[in-house]
Amino acid sequence: RKEVEQDPGPFNVPEGATVAFNCTYSNSASQSFFWYRQDCRKEPKLLMSVYSSGNEDGRFTAQLNRASQYISLLIRDSKLSDSATYLCVVNEQRGQGGKLIFGQGTELSVKP
Amino acid sequence: DGGITQSPKYLFRKEGQNVTLSCEQNLNHDAMYWYRQDPGQGLRLIYYSQIVNDFQKGDIAEGYSVSREKKESFPLTVTSAQKNPTAFYLCASSNPGGFTGELFFGEGSRLTVL
Repeated sequence: RKEVEQDPGPFNVPEGATVAFNCTYSNSASQSFFWYRQDCRKEPKLLMSVYSSGNEDGRFTAQLNRASQYISLLIRDSKLSDSATYLCVVNEQRGQGGKLIFGQGTELSVKP
Repeated sequence: DGGITQSPKYLFRKEGQNVTLSCEQNLNHDAMYWYRQDPGQGLRLIYYSQIVNDFQKGDIAEGYSVSREKKESFPLTVTSAQKNPTAFYLCASSNPGGFTGELFFGEGSRLTVL
């Protein structure tokens, strides 16, 4: 079983659609959770952290269910500029530096 | 502007040759990392360093070596022992004073073995 597993993609959606990505992780002792965005042939960049209470940043909502070891990312009112690969990331280590485990990514393509 | 600089961006190598990828940061970060990304796969950790003159193996360290002689620099050598070195290599660093989950990445180096 992969340590961090994401929905296989790609997701092809029209502009304005709502799309949800799911992610599961295997290490129940994982400390913290994140979504990163990676544009084609570019480096990943932090999109948002994921908190137990759920958190929202504009059109993006992230949720964490520790009991089910499940993380989600919801994008509302999709824009063309949202087209990218979304990486689910889990930190397995406390303290300085961390140990980030990356999922394989889910590709999103938003069409006009 | 602060950031992470990786070089070269593209590199071609013949089988049996060692190659060194450069990574320099001016963010004053203590921790630095090397990841490898293959098509359709997540980033996999090769080596990381939390302080000068110290580094740890990641999940796929075989065939790679690193050094951390200066805080700003964390070069990665891909040796001839690495059986499948063609990949996208990403260097990253993270803030001092406690890890927030944000890694700052360089633009990456694409290595192709001919």
